[in-house]
Formats: sequence, structure tokens, C-alpha cells
Amino acid sequence: AQKVTQAQTEISVVEKEDVTLDCVYETRDTTYYLFWYKQPPSGELVFLIRRNSFDEQNEISGRYSWNFQKSTSSFNFTITASQVVDSAVYFCALSEGNTGANSKLTFGKGITLSVRP
Amino acid sequence: SQTIHQWPATLVQPVGSPLSLECTVEGTSNPNLYWYRQAAGRGLQLLFYSVGIGQISSEVPQNLSASRPQDRQFILSSKKLLLSDSGFYLCASIGQNYGYTFGSGTRLTVV
Repeated sequence: AQKVTQAQTEISVVEKEDVTLDCVYETRDTTYYLFWYKQPPSGELVFLIRRNSFDEQNEISGRYSWNFQKSTSSFNFTITASQVVDSAVYFCALSEGNTGANSKLTFGKGITLSVRP
Repeated sequence: SQTIHQWPATLVQPVGSPLSLECTVEGTSNPNLYWYRQAAGRGLQLLFYSVGIGQISSEVPQNLSASRPQDRQFILSSKKLLLSDSGFYLCASIGQNYGYTFGSGTRLTVV
């Protein structure tokens, strides 16, 4: 069975600090997808990134970067120069297989990030 | 791109009352549809998913049911709500391009 572990529950940083959110996953499939979502106080889930299991290249998008390492089953998310608007709950999620019944997402429990001015 | 419409945004219902939450999808056809629930302070749990009209799979035993009467309509129901049904309910869709989209959610409080 698939599992996503976000060991950090709450992180508090001061604005402009860098912060890394950890995600460790478990799956028996060789084909899978990893996601990060942001949930601001309003509640909606904002898609940040999707990565498939065959693409281990790290990705950078503005202040956001992701480090995917299959050897350690980790998909960590770093926010550089954090801002108050980054305050939210961040979820890591895993989906196995191709589109179909196996595409349901398994979520971690989320990390509450608070960025103080 | 897909758009998911979910309503109502908030709902306060007494224990024992019925429930009907509706989700409709635009911008894709024959999507896989999902209902997730987020209890206070917890992650998201998959409740139901559907790969087609009339096809419903339940992930966890519970007081809720789901139906898919049309290709892009997904309904979450209960005949009698329990206090433990309180939470934030999210509808999600995977369209043809494997885009995973979430609705804006319904915050249900059972009193």
C-alpha cells in the first residue's frame, strides 16, 4: 500500500528565511506520481507541482524548488526567501499508476508553515 | 483546462438531518471523480471515487454515499448526519490530460 509521511507538523520561520518541507513516500509501483499542494486559510488546494517517477531532475520555479531522490524515497520542497504569503498548510501526495482507478491520491498529513514578518 | 464547481461553500446541519453535496466538472469529458474529506487538523482522506456514470467505489466504511448520475456530476449524500461527519469536503477530477483539479470545498459543521 502507498503511504506518504510528512514528519514535520508545524514550522515557523521569519520572513526571508529559507525553509524545507520534507516528504517521504512508500510505494510498490515503479510508475507513480508525486505532488505538492498548498492549502491557504481559505481552504482550496492549490497545485504546485507534479513529478513522475521516471524524472528525477530537480525543479525550480521562482522561489520554489523541489528535490526528488528515489534512493531515499523523498520529495522535498524548499521555499527560498520565504514571505508572509507563503503561510499555509502544504501537502505532499502520491498517486500510483496511470489514469484510472489507481490514480487516487494518498496525502500526507500536511505541514503548517507560518512565516512571521 | 478543467473547472470544478462545488456547493455550498459552507453548511451547518443538525445531527440526523440529510446531506447532499454536489460537484460538477467543466472542460473535460469522462473524468475520474473523487470525494475527499479533511477533518479538523488532519490530512485529506479519500472517501469515494468514480471512473464513470453509475460506477462508485468506496474507500472507507462510513455514513456517507456517493452517486454519479451524469458524466460530469458527482454527489455526496447522507440520510442521517453524525457529528463525526463534520469536516471539509473536496471534490476532485482527473481529466484526459491527467490534470488533477480540486474544487473549492464545502465546510460542513454538524451540530
